[in-house]
Amino acid sequence: AQSVTQLDSQVPVFEEAPVELRCNYSSSVSVYLFWYVQYPNQGLQLLLKYLSGSTLVKGINGFEAEFNKSQTSFHLRKPSVHISDTAEYFCAVSDQGAQKLVFGQGTRLTINP
Amino acid sequence: NAGVMQNPRHLVRRRGQEARLRCSPMKGHSHVYWYRQLPEEGLKFMVYLQKENIIDESGMPKERFSAEFPKEGPSILRIQQVVRGDSAAYFCASSPQLAGGNEQFFGPGTRLTVL
Repeated sequence: AQSVTQLDSQVPVFEEAPVELRCNYSSSVSVYLFWYVQYPNQGLQLLLKYLSGSTLVKGINGFEAEFNKSQTSFHLRKPSVHISDTAEYFCAVSDQGAQKLVFGQGTRLTINP
Repeated sequence: NAGVMQNPRHLVRRRGQEARLRCSPMKGHSHVYWYRQLPEEGLKFMVYLQKENIIDESGMPKERFSAEFPKEGPSILRIQQVVRGDSAAYFCASSPQLAGGNEQFFGPGTRLTVL
């Protein structure tokens, strides 16, 4: 069964610093990959997704992620964070042909001034 | 275009009572998914429905939980005889067609507290 591991449960960074949130998945079959953001007491909002093609994916709010098939990773990055980026970030995977998303445990990103 | 709507946003039940959670998908979306988020954990898939059909309920507990998506009206997640372990946030998502690589749009969630 597919599983997703987000290696860091919490990541504190200073404002305007770069950040990387790590995500690894288990299955070697063809997959679709997603990053969602959850602000307090809200639902999830899609940041970006990888379906095929270029392994570097750009999303909203200045975020990007790189798909690495050999390392089964899909790490999320932002070169300069803002206070408003404080939120919980979830990596998710779905096997091609499957409908359900399998989520990681989440990484809480805290931005300090 | 309204997003996915869920109600109630907060629900408090005593042990043994029933909880009914409602989800209205985005306009034009015929596929609905329910996920559960336990405290300090990620979301776990429960069930996937199309209009009047349950397609995949592999994540749904075998007892006390049921889901429906009638021809008319919202999707309903029903939990009978709730226990404290059912306390969680329940999220509904919808998509216009088979999700696959398509985005699932999430509602704001219903936070269930069982006393």
